[in-house]
Amino acid sequence: AQSVTQPDIHITVSEGASLELRCNYSYGATPYLFWYVQSPGQGLQLLLKYFSGDTLVQGIKGFEAEFKRSQSSFNLRKPSVHWSDAAEYFCAVGPKEYGNKLVFGAGTILRVKS
Amino acid sequence: DTAVSQTPKYLVTQMGNDKSIKCEQNLGHDTMYWYKQDSKKFLKIMFSYNNKELIINETVPNRFSPKSPDKAHLNLHINSLELGDSAVYFCASSQDPGGLTDTQYFGPGTRLTVL
Repeated sequence: AQSVTQPDIHITVSEGASLELRCNYSYGATPYLFWYVQSPGQGLQLLLKYFSGDTLVQGIKGFEAEFKRSQSSFNLRKPSVHWSDAAEYFCAVGPKEYGNKLVFGAGTILRVKS
Repeated sequence: DTAVSQTPKYLVTQMGNDKSIKCEQNLGHDTMYWYKQDSKKFLKIMFSYNNKELIINETVPNRFSPKSPDKAHLNLHINSLELGDSAVYFCASSQDPGGLTDTQYFGPGTRLTVL
């Protein structure tokens, strides 16, 4: 079945440590790929997106993500986490054959400990 | 200035009632969306409108009816509310109607609780 998987429901990292959030998708063609962040009580904010070209994408707030076609993955990374990064992170996929519909993963809650 | 705004932020109501959630965007975008985020945090698209025309209609009960008076507004009306309608509803907008090359900007969400 076509889907977006975020295997980690919760992740806890220490402030200053590096972070990697995983995202895998299963669609026939390479879709458009997105990462969104949702802070408590807030809407979703786009961190970064991948459409084509360079597979390492830079986003806002020091985040980056790497598209790996062979692994059908689009993992989000940050070299040094700040306490303000605590939030829920959603990977989203825009299957090209489905027009402008975004399909979201279940989200990963990031906790940052000091 | 809020790009995508929703009202109300919280909505608590009884089963069987009819309620509306309003959404407005001041980005000049042509396409607007409604998403539902359930208790397990799954976000799923419900509707998409482009220039007041419905272009995506997922499998949503017909108790849900989007209404777009103009391209800056997409309101969601829900009839005969049920317990399972309790969720957070997000409005979004984008410029690109035919694909995903444009960013979708999300509103802050409306938390609907049906008692």
